[in-house]
Amino acid sequence: EAGVTQFPSHSVIEKGQTVTLRCDPISGHDNLYWYRRVMGKEIKFLLHFVKESKQDESGMPNNRFLAERTGGTYSTLKVQPAELEDSGVYFCASSQRRWGAVDTEAFFGQGTRLTVV
Amino acid sequence: DAKTTQPPSMDCAEGRAANLPCNHSTISGNEYVYWYRQIHSQGPQYIIHGLKNNETNEMASLIITEDRKSSTLILPHATLRDTAVYYCIVSPRDYKLSFGAGTTVTVRA
Repeated sequence: EAGVTQFPSHSVIEKGQTVTLRCDPISGHDNLYWYRRVMGKEIKFLLHFVKESKQDESGMPNNRFLAERTGGTYSTLKVQPAELEDSGVYFCASSQRRWGAVDTEAFFGQGTRLTVV
Repeated sequence: DAKTTQPPSMDCAEGRAANLPCNHSTISGNEYVYWYRQIHSQGPQYIIHGLKNNETNEMASLIITEDRKSSTLILPHATLRDTAVYYCIVSPRDYKLSFGAGTTVTVRA
């Protein structure tokens, strides 16, 4: 069974440009989460999808970030326009049932390392 | 904010057991204890989780105290590939898990 897959693995863009990150969750996992680790900080929650619906996006830093999950399959996270402080590693995770609320584990992708120069 | 306390670092000799402590004194009755690790810059890897009973899988064992205020992750025979940052996480009711700083485990030959 394929794990959580993220594309691209690395991205270097200039300040002001747009970048779109993609996450393919494990097949059958309705719950999809985005996390990120910015330089020197801890891994922090960004948002949570259940199928195609956003359940919680309270961790999104500002309106330059837009996440979508059309059809409830893969998800994209767009940063437009990118700023220097957006540099970091963006992780996607998925779980069959809601992580933390019930006895279930979440599986993470390898992350996308975003560098804004 | 993370609801757990872990030592910042620890060393372990290759082939020996590594015992990683975690304090979670404010844990609620229905909250689980999860352990993840992050090897170098890879994505967090699930290790094990439990509610109140001790758990064991192919990777590790999890020992939870009777009052559930602390737990210990045991890697029975540490290898160099177990060098990583280990995170103890208590599942929050709102599922926005916070990873905290974790414990940096260095396995030495």
